[in-house]
Amino acid sequence: KQEVTQIPAALSVPEGENLVLNCSFTDSAIYNLQWFRQDPGKGLTSLLLIQSSQREQTSGRLNASLDKSSGRSTLYIAASQPGDSATYLCAVNPSNNAGNMLTFGGGTRLMVKP
Amino acid sequence: ETGVTQSPTHLIKTRGQQVTLRCSSQSGHNTVSWYQQALGQGPQFIFQYYREEENGRGNFPPRFSGLQFPNYSSELNVNALELDDSALYLCASSLREGNTEAFFGQGTRLTVV
Repeated sequence: KQEVTQIPAALSVPEGENLVLNCSFTDSAIYNLQWFRQDPGKGLTSLLLIQSSQREQTSGRLNASLDKSSGRSTLYIAASQPGDSATYLCAVNPSNNAGNMLTFGGGTRLMVKP
Repeated sequence: ETGVTQSPTHLIKTRGQQVTLRCSSQSGHNTVSWYQQALGQGPQFIFQYYREEENGRGNFPPRFSGLQFPNYSSELNVNALELDDSALYLCASSLREGNTEAFFGQGTRLTVV
């Protein structure tokens, strides 16, 4: 059974810092991995999707890497801003399914202070 | 905005009642997945529908059931509500062919009292 863990559970940083969020998964047989952002009480916004054959994806100040063999992904946020404050979730898509039957981590709650 | 819409946004029900939640998928998507997110936790996969049939199911009892319609919209039904069913219910749509990324709606907040 796939298990996804995110560390740290919560993080508070001053504005402008570069930061790294970690995601680990127990079964390396994945099809892809997605990073999402969730504002309080809201739905999920897709940030980045990395296919299992890829090493990283970039979008603006965000960079996500994937090391499938070691079961790890990181989300790097450059020059953090107060508007980045949210919960960040990673989710893996198993390779034996078509369609997104995602297994999520518990999330990292990020607060960026002005 | 993802184009995935859910209704209602909030709902309060009494223990033992039944509830139906609705989801309209993004245009062009043929697969809908439902997730339950308890407070402070990550979403848990309930089930997925593809071409009007259940295509996969997580660790949820049979009182959680669903439907998908020809226009790919979907319903989640929960019978005999329990207090622990209180959660944010999220639906996600995607295109199965090519296994594209999932797009989520804003969720329905269900409170069981």
